[in-house]
Amino acid sequence: DAGVIQSPRHEVTEMGQEVTLRCKPISGHNSLFWYRQTMMRGLELLIYFNNNVPIDDSGMPEDRFSAKMPNASFSTLKIQPSEPRDSAVYFCASSFGIDTQYFGPGTRLTVL
Amino acid sequence: AQSVTQLDSHVSVSEGTPVLLRCNYSSSYSPSLFWYVQHPNKGLQLLLKYTSAATLVKGINGFEAEFKKSETSFHLTKPSAHMSDAAEYFCVVVRSNDYKLSFGAGTTVTVRA
Repeated sequence: DAGVIQSPRHEVTEMGQEVTLRCKPISGHNSLFWYRQTMMRGLELLIYFNNNVPIDDSGMPEDRFSAKMPNASFSTLKIQPSEPRDSAVYFCASSFGIDTQYFGPGTRLTVL
Repeated sequence: AQSVTQLDSHVSVSEGTPVLLRCNYSSSYSPSLFWYVQHPNKGLQLLLKYTSAATLVKGINGFEAEFKKSETSFHLTKPSAHMSDAAEYFCVVVRSNDYKLSFGAGTTVTVRA
């Protein structure tokens, strides 16, 4: 099994630019999570999808953040416009139902 | 509500000696508990999980953890540390039948040669 796949692994962009992070969950998993990790706040849940439907987006910081899951094998997290305070590591995780969550390698985002 | 306290932010051990990472939790409901490990610039890897079966849980890479309800603890141990164990370790609690993980602040393990 390839595990959760995320791309890109690193992203450096300038303030104001649009950023799109991508995630492919483990085949057969029907739940997908986006997390953000920073030194100050640790790991925070941004959004949770179940069967491609957003169930809980209460962790999405503001309207600049949006997430989609057009099918069971792909999800995106978009930031538009990006700001320096968005710099963090973004993780995608997947699970079957609410069973154990398996994390991807993360995308390290730097906004200059 | 549930919360997790990792009692040590940093643990330093010599290679070949035991490792103990302490975790206390609070939960209003029967919890599931996990330990994840994060190596530098890597994602979180599941070490082991407790889901109300045996209280002593064996995980990967020689790690194990014991669930003690009376002490609300879930400490992680390994009898003999290896250099490759140098990483950050997260204790995680989730209410049964819920999806919201509560993460501890993490414990950084350093292994001295």
